[in-house]
Amino acid sequence: AAGVIQSPRHLIKEKRETATLKCYPIPRHDTVYWYQQGPGQDPQFLISFYEKMQSDKGSIPDRFSAQQFSDYHSELNMSSLELGDSALYFCASSLRLADNYEQYFGPGTRLTVT
Amino acid sequence: RKEVEQDPGPFNVPEGATVAFNCTYSNSASQSFFWYRQDCRKEPKLLMSVYSSGNEDGRFTAQLNRASQYISLLIRDSKLSDSATYLCVVNQDDKIIFGKGTRLHILP
Repeated sequence: AAGVIQSPRHLIKEKRETATLKCYPIPRHDTVYWYQQGPGQDPQFLISFYEKMQSDKGSIPDRFSAQQFSDYHSELNMSSLELGDSALYFCASSLRLADNYEQYFGPGTRLTVT
Repeated sequence: RKEVEQDPGPFNVPEGATVAFNCTYSNSASQSFFWYRQDCRKEPKLLMSVYSSGNEDGRFTAQLNRASQYISLLIRDSKLSDSATYLCVVNQDDKIIFGKGTRLHILP
């Protein structure tokens, strides 16, 4: 079965640079979530989109933005990167229309800021 | 009180034993409940949804106690491959909240 796809899997950036992470949800899923997970931490919710509209916002810094496109893929844009942004970034998708909040996670993008 | 609380562990359990985790939640209006497992440096994987009537999947049993506002996960006949972090996840008003996870180590 098709799973959530994230790209790139690994990314190394320098401080103050920008980064774009991509997420392709499971086909027919209508909701995408972004999470940040630091070492030894639980996933921290950043932002979610339902049917291409932002549906909820968590602890996403103002330097980050995200959107969901017409084909339901989503991109997380990160600017003015800081050392503390180094983390695993997960995308998850679900089919909210079915009133089912089961989320399926992608393999993550490991971002290292040097 | 934190929205979703779990004992961080670690739980060190001999292979073949039974182990149980609880997770408490603060919002009585919470609607959906899940257990995920996460291996080191990997993505969380959905283990099971937790239904009001309780549910079982092989060696895993999940239960919901709305009166006391907790969910539980029971693992029977534990295997070495069960070693992971188990995350409790609660849906409150369309907001998904993760617990900080319970680490489980199955000892040979």
